[in-house]
Amino acid sequence: GIQVEQSPPDLILQEGANSTLRCNFSDSVNNLQWFHQNPWGQLINLFYIPSGTKQNGRLSATTVATERYSLLYISSSQTTDSGVYFCAVDEETSGSRLTFGEGTQLTVNP
Amino acid sequence: DTGVSQDPRHKITKRGQNVTFRCDPISEHNRLYWYRQTLGQGPEFLTYFQNEAQLEKSRLLSDRFSAERPKGSFSTLEIQRTEQGDSAMYLCASSLALPGQYFGPGTRLTVT
Repeated sequence: GIQVEQSPPDLILQEGANSTLRCNFSDSVNNLQWFHQNPWGQLINLFYIPSGTKQNGRLSATTVATERYSLLYISSSQTTDSGVYFCAVDEETSGSRLTFGEGTQLTVNP
Repeated sequence: DTGVSQDPRHKITKRGQNVTFRCDPISEHNRLYWYRQTLGQGPEFLTYFQNEAQLEKSRLLSDRFSAERPKGSFSTLEIQRTEQGDSAMYLCASSLALPGQYFGPGTRLTVT
């Protein structure tokens, strides 16, 4: 099956700093999503981005499908950005199940 | 649009007991998925339905697990003869064909 690798595994920032999270995947995909998991376990949709670039407020994401990676940018980080960020992909042959990476644990300190 | 809901949010059970979880998808979403997440890991796919048909099951879904979606709306996931290794967060998601899956708040299962 498809492999999904996220980096870095852990990231500690001061409030106001910018960061870039990376997701590499091993095969062609139909779907790529970025999620933020809050401390209560809820997975919150950030982006549906199988290719191209999208922006939503302080967050933006870019997926280069031909090179099999995606980047999530967080600008002017806030303490409420803390949590785990997951990348998940649906490979072309899967029939629609998502395969998740192991996540990036982000801590934003005041 | 009320989002995906799951019930219960937390369940504590003794080893050997049966448990059942419910998921209500976003209305009109024809696809429904179950995932399991253990501590420190990303969610892992268990099974998915398109309408009432169960189209795919992971090998993680042992014969003690069964899922149904009888009328193509809500779904149930039952675990029989629970084991301590079943302790995890059980997540439900729903979607149309595009653009992506939307997750519920999860059911946290603790087997003592």
